[in-house]
Amino acid sequence: QSALTQPPSVSASPGQSVTISCTGTSSDVGGYNRVSWYQQPPGTAPKLMIYEVSNRPSGVPDRFSGSKSGNTAFLTISGLQAEDEADYYCGSYTSSNTRVFGGGTKLTVL
Amino acid sequence: EVHLVESGGGLVQPGGSLRLSCVASGFTFSNSWMHWVRQGQGKGLVWVSRIYGDGRDTTYADSVKGRFTISRDNAKNTLYLQMNSLRAEDTGVYYCATDGGYSLYHWGQGTLVSVSS
Repeated sequence: QSALTQPPSVSASPGQSVTISCTGTSSDVGGYNRVSWYQQPPGTAPKLMIYEVSNRPSGVPDRFSGSKSGNTAFLTISGLQAEDEADYYCGSYTSSNTRVFGGGTKLTVL
Repeated sequence: EVHLVESGGGLVQPGGSLRLSCVASGFTFSNSWMHWVRQGQGKGLVWVSRIYGDGRDTTYADSVKGRFTISRDNAKNTLYLQMNSLRAEDTGVYYCATDGGYSLYHWGQGTLVSVSS
């Protein structure tokens, strides 16, 4: 149950786009379309932003989108806003019927 | 509106025990898979355990298997996590969460567990 691999940090200016990667194995990310993404501003609980690779829960702006290629999933945020600054975590269902998260990526809006 | 409220955290010595609770409202609790997730101070999310709606099927992370037990009381809309043989590395904020689309859909605000002598 090794954690999924995410870059520790990314940054971009308001209005730009940023993409966060999440790399796993064929036993988790690559084996199922069951990848999710979570946003966690400091001092708050995580919030689901994307589920089943590319689906947005009600209320999540369409600036947030998800995709997957092989063992790597991606979260793209377009039209960056200051309020998007937060930690982002990917998560995946695994072949052991467990869940696994990535180490998290800190997004800084310059 | 879905509401999850965790409680039961606190300071405990290594080797000790704690039972966490999560009271749920705003949805049909008995039909919902539920999860526990831990987050160490300044660290990432770690999935801990999951339980089916009827309570008959449970799964655990290797790091807690044999020490933690997840359970539920559907009559009380409450999820539990019994934690035994606690270690320093179990320290963190524990969140309960609902399952949806194989993701963790709604999250509580968490309860803090500190394992220290």
